[in-house]
Amino acid sequence: DAGITQSPRHKVTETGTPVTLRCHQTENHRYMYWYRQDPGHGLRLIHYSYGVKDTDKGEVSDGYSVSRSKTEDFLLTLESATSSQTSVYFCAISEDPAGPQHFGDGTRLSIL
Amino acid sequence: EDQVTQSPEALRLQEGESSSLNCSYTVSGLRGLFWYRQDPGKGPEFLFTLYSAGEEKEKERLKATLTKKESFLHITAPKPEDSATYLCAVQANAGNNRKLIWGLGTSLAVNP
Repeated sequence: DAGITQSPRHKVTETGTPVTLRCHQTENHRYMYWYRQDPGHGLRLIHYSYGVKDTDKGEVSDGYSVSRSKTEDFLLTLESATSSQTSVYFCAISEDPAGPQHFGDGTRLSIL
Repeated sequence: EDQVTQSPEALRLQEGESSSLNCSYTVSGLRGLFWYRQDPGKGPEFLFTLYSAGEEKEKERLKATLTKKESFLHITAPKPEDSATYLCAVQANAGNNRKLIWGLGTSLAVNP
């Protein structure tokens, strides 16, 4: 299994609070991705990174920001959480943008 | 518009009863098609990548095939441990080549 650790695995928080999710990899892969998975929508890309301090937006980036200060860590921040951001969040990594992505086991986030 | 459609949405098989899952796609130039397996509470697990029509890949009881419009995941003599959701994703040659377009998956249940 690819060495990808997501933390926390579960979180419940209130609307308006800031939330940060962490993805840590031990594979030294250059590319990292944040997705959310919701019933009826499948996996949707939030943000991705193609190197340290190099990030770009995905298809559902509003309300989210990311940072990558080290190869192994990719952080996803919800500055002011809303109930519509209740979801399961997955981090993925890849060696090559055209190659397969490998996923962590996700963070289940509930915003009340 | 680039699109991926998986069918059926759900499939129930008896152990040993072979079947196929379908992934139909419309994309402006296929760069690659990916199959994943996802178990409840886990992240997607990479199975296969297919790059060109006529290509086939096999792994244990699974065989993936690709045409210019669709891919099939054939499951031969399935076992209960093959129960999972199977996801298909495509990557286009044009535009942002890091973006995967995901289907909604086929939920497979194999009864003993």
